[in-house]
Amino acid sequence: NAGVTQTPKFRILKIGQSMTLQCTQDMNHNYMYWYRQDPGMGLKLIYYSVGAGITDKGEVPNGYNVSRSTTEDFPLRLELAAPSQTSVYFCASSRTSGNKETQYFGPGTRLLVL
Amino acid sequence: GENVEQHPSTLSVQEGDSAVIKCTYSDSASNYFPWYKQELGKRPQLIIDIRSNVGEKKDQRIAVTLNKTAKHFSLHITETQPEDSAVYFCAASRAKLVFGTGTRLLVSP
Repeated sequence: NAGVTQTPKFRILKIGQSMTLQCTQDMNHNYMYWYRQDPGMGLKLIYYSVGAGITDKGEVPNGYNVSRSTTEDFPLRLELAAPSQTSVYFCASSRTSGNKETQYFGPGTRLLVL
Repeated sequence: GENVEQHPSTLSVQEGDSAVIKCTYSDSASNYFPWYKQELGKRPQLIIDIRSNVGEKKDQRIAVTLNKTAKHFSLHITETQPEDSAVYFCAASRAKLVFGTGTRLLVSP
């Protein structure tokens, strides 16, 4: 199993541009999550999904959108990128909800907005 | 919502010493407390977790203790080694994980 994979690894965006961060898992996990990690800080939940077709907001959803059309994929969309969105983005998945099952993280996408 | 505080933010120890990292949480309904290790430039990886029906859990050189009454839990690493150097995150969850801000552990040879 590849586990959780993310693309791209690194991206530079100009203010106002848009992009999609890709996340795929091959463990048949129901739950998927997007976090951002600012320098020297912990992980903040952006959005999560409990299954295909179901998504919900986390702690810091503003400026982002998600979709979950399949069990495997959970892309994160940034519209109108802002410098405040410079961060490392981690996708994660788990078999059930966070309090019952380990979350497995992808390698991260480093995003710089200039 | 849940709030997790983690201390200290940095911790320097000599190889072979013990290291202790402490976390407090605010939501008494939280029932799952994992600890993640993140090496520089890498993804967070689970190293140990504890559920609210257990007071202590050990796995070789690492252990976690939970005090539900006081709403705090701690990570203990014994006989530290240079490869233990990393950032450690605690988290608490009732349904979604809320992470602490991390502790940078440096183990000097």
